[in-house]
Amino acid sequence: AQSVSQHNHHVILSEAASLELGCNYSYGGTVNLFWYVQYPGQHLQLLLKYFSGDPLVKGIKGFEAEFIKSKFSFNLRKPSVQWSDTAEYFCAVLLYGNNRLAFGKGNQVVVIP
Amino acid sequence: DSGVTQTPKHLITATGQRVTLRCSPRSGDLSVYWYQQSLDQGLQFLIQYYNGEERAKGNILERFSAQQFPDLHSELNLSSLELGDSALYFCASSVAPPLTSVVKAGYNEQFFGPGTRLTVL
Repeated sequence: AQSVSQHNHHVILSEAASLELGCNYSYGGTVNLFWYVQYPGQHLQLLLKYFSGDPLVKGIKGFEAEFIKSKFSFNLRKPSVQWSDTAEYFCAVLLYGNNRLAFGKGNQVVVIP
Repeated sequence: DSGVTQTPKHLITATGQRVTLRCSPRSGDLSVYWYQQSLDQGLQFLIQYYNGEERAKGNILERFSAQQFPDLHSELNLSSLELGDSALYFCASSVAPPLTSVVKAGYNEQFFGPGTRLTVL
């Protein structure tokens, strides 16, 4: 079945540590890829997106993600996290020609000051 | 602020009841999407409307229905509520559905509202 996988649902790290969240999808066609963030008590906000072109995309708040087509992956990275990065992070895939976003289960990230 | 508004913010009701959730898309957006976020299922796509017409259906129960009105706001109707319907319901909007021949940056981006937290007791 087509799916979006995010591993390590709970991540706890200290401030200044580096963060990498994995995202793999199983769709074979052209896809648009997104990372959304949900801060405690807030709605989903777009961190970054990939449509085409340079597979390394930069988003807000120092986040970046790399699309590796051969690995069906779109991993999110941040070199040095802050306490304010505590949130839930969702990878999402939008199939070309389809309007529905398919979300992964999310990664709950807790940054300890 | 994404520009997408949802009301009410919180809703508490009893099993068997019927509720209506409302969503106003960003100005200029023709597509409205509904998603359900629950602890066990995660974020699930329910249904999409484009310019008043249903365009795509996801994991939406038969007890649930939606519509999009001429002014482009949308309502999600949940009936015969069960305990398991307790969840956060998000609405999102985008400019238009993807074009068949060219994917244009920005067209596929969905902007999410703040959500309605439904608690069924």
